[in-house]
Amino acid sequence: RKEVEQDPGPFNVPEGATVAFNCTYSNSASQSFFWYRQDCRKEPKLLMSVYSSGNEDGRFTAQLNRASQYISLLIRDSKLSDSATYLCVADSGYALNFGKGTSLLVTP
Amino acid sequence: GAVVSQHPSWVICKSGTSVKIECRSLDFQATTMFWYRQFPKQSLMLMATSNEGSKATYEQGVEKDKFLINHASLTLSTLTVTSAHPEDSSFYICSARDESRAYNEQFFGPGTRLTVL
Repeated sequence: RKEVEQDPGPFNVPEGATVAFNCTYSNSASQSFFWYRQDCRKEPKLLMSVYSSGNEDGRFTAQLNRASQYISLLIRDSKLSDSATYLCVADSGYALNFGKGTSLLVTP
Repeated sequence: GAVVSQHPSWVICKSGTSVKIECRSLDFQATTMFWYRQFPKQSLMLMATSNEGSKATYEQGVEKDKFLINHASLTLSTLTVTSAHPEDSSFYICSARDESRAYNEQFFGPGTRLTVL
């Protein structure tokens, strides 16, 4: 079983829509969690960290549920520029474990 | 912000040749760097952890004699794919931890796309 699992999508949504991505992780010892964004043929870039209390950064809201080992990302008011692959990441303290990513396409 | 560079950004080579990829932390020192590989539509897979001044730690299933790692300074790690074959064609990405930051955030290089003919 992969350490971090995500729905690969693709999610096709119109501009302005709200979209949510989910992720589960299997290593209960994971210490930190992140969402990365990866554009086609580029390196991943950190989008935001995920805290147990939930955190928001503009249109992006991340949630972590340690009991169910579940992480989510909510994007409100989608923009065309949000089209990318979103990677869920669990940090064991030793290494980052990446999910396969969820592909998002925002259409006009 | 912390910047990590990689060189080359892409390389095409014949089967059997060796390819060296450089990863540099430009504005911070990194005792630890990481090498990942990503196949199309797959997640990044950690290949090895590069430790300055000591041997790299390889993940299970990664041949250390095929993927040679040298971390000779606090700002440079190199990955050499020896006797490359078409199945080694992939996107190789390095990252470095900036240990001066609170969460030891990892910063990624832009990646090197290797195509072996």
